[in-house]
Amino acid sequence: SQKIEQNSEALNIQEGKTATLTCNYTNYSPAYLQWYRQDPGRGPVFLLLIRENEKEKRKERLKVTFDTTLKQSLFHITASQPADSATYLCALRGGATNKLIFGTGTLLAVQP
Amino acid sequence: EPEVTQTPSHQVTQMGQEVILRCVPISNHLYFYWYRQILGQKVEFLVSFYNNEISEKSEIFDDQFSVERPDGSNFTLKIRSTKLEDSAMYFCASSDPSGPAHFGETQYFGPGTRLLVL
Repeated sequence: SQKIEQNSEALNIQEGKTATLTCNYTNYSPAYLQWYRQDPGRGPVFLLLIRENEKEKRKERLKVTFDTTLKQSLFHITASQPADSATYLCALRGGATNKLIFGTGTLLAVQP
Repeated sequence: EPEVTQTPSHQVTQMGQEVILRCVPISNHLYFYWYRQILGQKVEFLVSFYNNEISEKSEIFDDQFSVERPDGSNFTLKIRSTKLEDSAMYFCASSDPSGPAHFGETQYFGPGTRLLVL
């Protein structure tokens, strides 16, 4: 069955450092991979989308890479700030479906 | 910036009762979705809706669940006879159909309705 794993349930880093979050998947060939941010008790907020034929996408301090050979995406937040502290969700979607399959998320804590 | 809204924010109900969760998707979007998140678990797809019919549903979305677009703005999820295990956050989402491959690319989520079944 399809499986999505995100690295470590929690990640602690110092303010100003780069946070790197990992999303690995098996038994799936996604056409799109998306990253969302979720704060406690709130809905997921869309951050970035990358297509299967794209290697890298950037938006301000955010960067996402997508390696369909390794079946992995890396999500980077540069110059991290305490306000970046949240759970980050990886979500995959196939080309013939509009169903998103989510990972369990990584809780990022940025220490001042 | 347009956003998805949901009401109520919290709902407490007794087991066996019917509940209706309401959503107002982003106005020019044509694909609508319901997801749920049981406390401490991942977000799970329930159903997608397009052109006034269900386009896809998960195994969770059994006969106890139904969706409806009663007018031009609202999108509802009804649970006919709630069970204890229906307690979760329910998220509505919508997307714009102008993305490639016919399906809208990015799904925008509402703030959720926290449902507690006692």
